Order: sequence, then structure tokens, then C-alpha cells
Amino acid sequence: KQEVTQIPAALSVPEGENLVLNCSFTDSAIYNLQWFRQDPGKGLTSLLLIQSSQREQTSGRLNASLDKSSGRSTLYIAASQPGDSATYLCAVIVYNTDKLIFGTGTRLQVFP
Amino acid sequence: DAGVIQSPRHEVTEMGQEVTLRCKPISGHNSLFWYRQTMMRGLELLIYFNNNVPIDDSGMPEDRFSAKMPNASFSTLKIQPSEPRDSAVYFCASSLAGGNSYYGYTFGSGTRLTVV
Repeated sequence: KQEVTQIPAALSVPEGENLVLNCSFTDSAIYNLQWFRQDPGKGLTSLLLIQSSQREQTSGRLNASLDKSSGRSTLYIAASQPGDSATYLCAVIVYNTDKLIFGTGTRLQVFP
Repeated sequence: DAGVIQSPRHEVTEMGQEVTLRCKPISGHNSLFWYRQTMMRGLELLIYFNNNVPIDDSGMPEDRFSAKMPNASFSTLKIQPSEPRDSAVYFCASSLAGGNSYYGYTFGSGTRLTVV
């Protein structure tokens, strides 16, 4: 059974810091990995999608890497801003299914 | 495209009543998913459809829950009878999937259900 874990569970940092959020999964048989952002009381917004054949994806200040063999992904946020405050979720699509299995999330707070 | 559309946004109902949640996926997407989010359990996959056919409903908590997808543009999740422990945010998501090619999921804004 695929299990997805995120570390840390919560993070509070001053504005301007570079951040690394970690995601690990137990079964490397995945199609892809997707990072989402969720603001309080809101839905999920897709940030980055990494196919299993790829090593990383970048969008603006965000960079996500994938090491499928070790079951790990990291989300790097450069020059954090208060507007980045949200919960960040990683999720993997299990091979041979369409199931997207979510991690436990990292709650990020960036203060001015 | 307006994205994945869910209704209602909020639902408050009394224990024992029937609740129906609705979802319109993105046009052209062939897979649809229902998730439930709670503080204790996070995001749980309840059921998913591919080409309108239910593929895996192993996440449906009990027989009180049922889901249908009568056509490619509409799905419902029904709870009958509802109980206070069903209180959660229910999300619908859709994707275009085929073979080994996956394009990621798009989520709706969710329905916040409160059963009193």
C-alpha cells in the first residue's frame, strides 16, 4: 500500500528565506508526482507536475525534484514571501491505477 | 474552461437526512475522483470513475455512501442517511488519463458538509 509522508508538518520562517519541503513515498512504482497548494478553507491549486521519467520541474520561484528510486521529492521555494503561506501537499499517482495518493501536508507560514 | 465545478459550496443538514453533492468535470477529461478531507485523516480517495464507469470504490466508508456518473459531464455523491461524522470537505477532481500518460489532476473548490 502506497504511503506518502511529508516533513516537516509545519514550518514558520521570516520573509526572504529559501525553503525546502520534503515528500517521501513507500512504493516507487508511480506514474508521476504532483505538488499542490491549499489556502485555508479553499480548494487545491496545482503547482508542479513531474512525470516519472523526469527529474525536476520549475515554475517561477518553485522547483520540484523527483528521485523515484529512493522514493523522494523536494519542493524548493526561493525567496519566500508572506503570500506563500499555505499548506503544501504532494501526491503520487500509483502505477497501474489512476489513484492520486496524498501526503500529510506541510503547513507553511512566512512572516514579514 | 471554468474548471471543475462543485455544488453546493456549503451544506448544513440534520442527521438522518439525505445529502447529494454534485460535480461537473472539465470538458474532455475522462477520469473523475471524489475525495474527502478532514483534519484527522487528511485527503482520502473515496471513489473514481474512468469513462463514466466506477473503477475503484474501496475508499467509500460504508453503504450509506454512493456515487454515480450518468454521463461525462456530471457526477453525484450521495450520503443517505447522513451522520455527524460525515462532516468534512468533499472535493471532486478530474483528469485526462490514458495509458502511461497522465496530465495531473484539477480539483474543484469543494463542498463543506456539516451534519448536525
